[in-house]
Amino acid sequence: ETGVTQSPTHLIKTRGQQVTLRCSSQSGHNTVSWYQQALGQGPQFIFQYYREEENGRGNFPPRFSGLQFPNYSSELNVNALELDDSALYLCASASASGSVYEQYFGPGTRLTVT
Amino acid sequence: QKEVEQNSGPLSVPEGAIASLNCTYSDRGSQSFFWYRQYSGKSPELIMFIYSNGDKEDGRFTAQLNKASQYVSLLIRDSQPSDSATYLCAVKLDNAGNMLTFGGGTRLMVKP
Repeated sequence: ETGVTQSPTHLIKTRGQQVTLRCSSQSGHNTVSWYQQALGQGPQFIFQYYREEENGRGNFPPRFSGLQFPNYSSELNVNALELDDSALYLCASASASGSVYEQYFGPGTRLTVT
Repeated sequence: QKEVEQNSGPLSVPEGAIASLNCTYSDRGSQSFFWYRQYSGKSPELIMFIYSNGDKEDGRFTAQLNKASQYVSLLIRDSQPSDSATYLCAVKLDNAGNMLTFGGGTRLMVKP
């Protein structure tokens, strides 16, 4: 168990709808990252939050947005859902181990867009 | 060319053998390298990381890094059927914050 929790576990949405996914970081971790993992592929970085501010973004359109709250929990919002948004969405919180940040993943939210 | 490449497999080894998983990366400024294990339907689990050239051992796992060849590998000694999973190589690129770039993963099958 990493101490990172995500909700919901599974979600089915219709194309064009909006969705909000939630993540609670491990205690003491002030950095949270979101990744999208399509079936059969490695995770792809969406963005990262540090102290409630976006601190890095991957190659995802603006309809992917996020928030981080003072208690370091986080949300991922996706607007205007497309079929290709169907994937496992992973939240990772990070702690520093010397000069290296170890990222620990939550169980993920499986999103299906129909 | 993908930034992080792995052979998708499956790599099949008999129980008790050494499994060798390989990963190459394209950015010479890459700083740290991570190996994750992912069971089917589950999220990735961090096995270990390495950032200096050479070997790093943790139990049955050894990570090897060769920055000159832009190559990182994971050796699993005394492979067990419970090691059967997809192994993901991840690289922290230079000037990329804490963003990890993942390879597509190698599926390992350990046969009893």
